[in-house]
Amino acid sequence: DAGITQSPRHKVTETGTPVTLRCHQTENHRYMYWYRQDPGHGLRLIHYSYGVKDTDKGEVSDGYSVSRSKTEDFLLTLESATSSQTSVYFCAISSGGHTGELFFGEGSRLTVL
Amino acid sequence: GEDVEQSLFLSVREGDSSVINCTYTDSSSTYLYWYKQEPGAGLQLLTYIFSNMDMKQDQRLTVLLNKKDKHLSLRIADTQTGDSAIYFCAVSFGGSQGNLIFGKGTKLSVKP
Repeated sequence: DAGITQSPRHKVTETGTPVTLRCHQTENHRYMYWYRQDPGHGLRLIHYSYGVKDTDKGEVSDGYSVSRSKTEDFLLTLESATSSQTSVYFCAISSGGHTGELFFGEGSRLTVL
Repeated sequence: GEDVEQSLFLSVREGDSSVINCTYTDSSSTYLYWYKQEPGAGLQLLTYIFSNMDMKQDQRLTVLLNKKDKHLSLRIADTQTGDSAIYFCAVSFGGSQGNLIFGKGTKLSVKP
């Protein structure tokens, strides 16, 4: 299995509170991604990073920010969580090789009450 | 924008073949992928096909690509109960191989 760790794996929080999810990799891969998975929507890309301090928006970036200060860590922050951000969040990594294969973490389930 | 469509459910009997279909809109995708998600887990790459190929076979898996119709299919021969999972079609976009657009996933149920 690819060395990807997401934390926390489960979190319940209240509307309006800040939340940070962490993705840690031991593969030294250049690219890192945050997706959210929701019933009826599949996986949607939130933000991605193509290097330290280099990030870009995905399809559903509103309400989310990211930071990557080290190759191994990619943080996803919800500045003020809303109920619509209740979801399962997946981190993925890629070496950016020819086939673009993504390796996924096990997911972080976030519930916003 | 880019769109990837799949049917949401498929039910088959153990030992039968399963065919999961996918259509997409971006014809510039270089690679097209099938990922598998088992309950409570992340996605794992099952197989992929390069856009200049029509077919790729890998043991029980056969991928067919019709570029003209923008149609991708995954056939699983001799389907087993362990194949029960959600299968996602994905295509790359934006010129970057790692930026993938996923379909909503097809939940495959295999009945004994």
